[in-house]
Amino acid sequence: DQQVKQNSPSLSVQEGRISILNCDYTNSMFDYFLWYKKYPAEGPTFLISISSIKDKNEDGRFTVFLNKSAKHLSLHIVPSQPGDSAVYFCAADTNAGKSTFGDGTTLTVKP
Amino acid sequence: NAGVTQTPKFRILKIGQSMTLQCAQDMNHNYMYWYRQDPGMGLKLIYYSVGAGITDKGEVPNGYNVSRSTTEDFPLRLELAAPSQTSVYFCASRLEETEAFFGQGTRLTVV
Repeated sequence: DQQVKQNSPSLSVQEGRISILNCDYTNSMFDYFLWYKKYPAEGPTFLISISSIKDKNEDGRFTVFLNKSAKHLSLHIVPSQPGDSAVYFCAADTNAGKSTFGDGTTLTVKP
Repeated sequence: NAGVTQTPKFRILKIGQSMTLQCAQDMNHNYMYWYRQDPGMGLKLIYYSVGAGITDKGEVPNGYNVSRSTTEDFPLRLELAAPSQTSVYFCASRLEETEAFFGQGTRLTVV
């Protein structure tokens, strides 16, 4: 049973437009959520996070929204740039320090 | 500041051989993790540790062992390698409720 799901394996957007990446989870014990970005042949790097006590966190072009009642979070990138093309992973943590990742969404930003 | 260092970067093993993947971090993080990533999939947690002397199983621990004798090091041992263990392995470390820092990965092929 996959506790963190990213239902869209891929997303393609035009440069300058908004990218919206989605993530659903099933475990109500998750209390901290993170997004990571991964380029080929590299380890994932942290992008943005949100605590379960908040519903929005913003950092420059990146905003994460959390809807606890729907067990859903989303990452918005505005405006999208070609350098944003990568695989994006959603991750969810319990307070025991255990992190669960989704399968990732490959974002392609076309010039 | 090296961050998280994994060695080796690449390795080919024969079925039945054993090896240890090394992971070291210099950020004094108490939490450390081992993940594997199969093609087109997300990161699956193998083992994790919340501090020296404490380890716990993740989602896919079978065929692996870990130890955490120091804060800095978290080696992953593969006993009796099998083709199903062909994967890319990532080590990560973090403080509680913060982002994880990942190593560059070890690409392992079992033939």
